[in-house]
Amino acid sequence: GENVEQHPSTLSVQEGDSAVIKCTYSDSASNYFPWYKQELGKRPQLIIDIRSNVGEKKDQRIAVTLNKTAKHFSLHITETQPEDSAVYFCAATPSNDYKLSFGAGTTVTVRA
Amino acid sequence: KAGVTQTPRYLIKTRGQQVTLSCSPISGHRSVSWYQQTPGQGLQFLFEYFSETQRNKGNFPGRFSGRQFSNSRSEMNVSTLELGDSALYLCASSLELLGGTGELFFGEGSRLTVL
Repeated sequence: GENVEQHPSTLSVQEGDSAVIKCTYSDSASNYFPWYKQELGKRPQLIIDIRSNVGEKKDQRIAVTLNKTAKHFSLHITETQPEDSAVYFCAATPSNDYKLSFGAGTTVTVRA
Repeated sequence: KAGVTQTPRYLIKTRGQQVTLSCSPISGHRSVSWYQQTPGQGLQFLFEYFSETQRNKGNFPGRFSGRQFSNSRSEMNVSTLELGDSALYLCASSLELLGGTGELFFGEGSRLTVL
């Protein structure tokens, strides 16, 4: 089955700086890679996703890049703000498997 | 439109007991998946149901089971509870089967404490 590794587990950044979270996956059949954000005490919510036929996708201050050859994908947050403080989960799903494998999560803290 | 509803929100059980958690998906969503969330382990996939059929199951012992009803509501059951079962159990609904590219909509979770 799919195995997703996520790094770092914690990340502290100064407000206004950028944050980068990296994930690697094991199953080359994976073709969909979402990112979920979970604020403290709240439910996870989708913030951005990318499909395997695209190398990069942007949505305002967040972007995701995908390297299919190396089997890794990354979340980039620019101009971080206090409301970006949360746990971020990457995930991957193979097209032939009814399963979504999540990374262990990255706790991002934005220092004012 | 109402979101995903999970009940109960909090519960305390003792070792050896069993527990049943309920999840009502967003209207029209036929896929319901369940996850166990513990500190440091992230979201561990338990199983997914689509149109009352279990489509896939994660690496959990047989003590963890579930079902889905014709109205797409789902329940999960954990029998013979162990201390390590203490966790936040999240369910999520989506329009599509997992393996598609549909967004998951999570409930607020059921926090289980096993004493």
